[in-house]
Amino acid sequence: DTGVSQDPRHKITKRGQNVTFRCDPISEHNRLYWYRQTLGQGPEFLTYFQNEAQLEKSRLLSDRFSAERPKGSFSTLEIQRTEQGDSAMYLCASSSLASARLTDTQYFGPGTRLTVL
Amino acid sequence: EDQVTQSPEALRLQEGESSSLNCSYTVSGLRGLFWYRQDPGKGPEFLFTLYSAGEEKEKERLKATLTKKESFLHITAPKPEDSATYLCAVQQPIQGAQKLVFGQGTRLTINP
Repeated sequence: DTGVSQDPRHKITKRGQNVTFRCDPISEHNRLYWYRQTLGQGPEFLTYFQNEAQLEKSRLLSDRFSAERPKGSFSTLEIQRTEQGDSAMYLCASSSLASARLTDTQYFGPGTRLTVL
Repeated sequence: EDQVTQSPEALRLQEGESSSLNCSYTVSGLRGLFWYRQDPGKGPEFLFTLYSAGEEKEKERLKATLTKKESFLHITAPKPEDSATYLCAVQQPIQGAQKLVFGQGTRLTINP
């Protein structure tokens, strides 16, 4: 178990360009979450996958954002026509249900730091 | 709307000087309160989950406690390596799972 991994760790892009981030969850975890974190704030939920199904999307996720988890393993988050306001840390987390408590612990990856110039 | 507020925003202590961080929450039915540690430029690292008032969890110099409205993270005799941002979060149900709703964090600095 090597934990959640994300790639790239840093991305600098120009306004209007498209970017794509990848997340590889902990291997036995079927739940995958994306969060966004700006400086001095806690992470904010963006979207959630259970296996390959995208079950929940935040209102923060504009139509320029799209996420996939094609085979229920890794996930990608794409931002089209980036804006300066998209600059943030994009975090991925994964979990599996602890049935005794009907809750789960989310384990986070190292994040992808996006800077839009 | 579930809400989490952490205080103070920043705390500077001397090595060995014990203190507590506060997390106040309002939720419609607590499913779990989580503490994470986050180092600069890295993702949050899980520390504790608390489920019910009166529960306590400990790990090294850290102890987390929970009441019906607040959680405290007590740091005893901290060392410089305890310097980090500490995040508190509650779970909010979404379709098929729960998302985390975070506070803004407390940035802790331990001076040698």
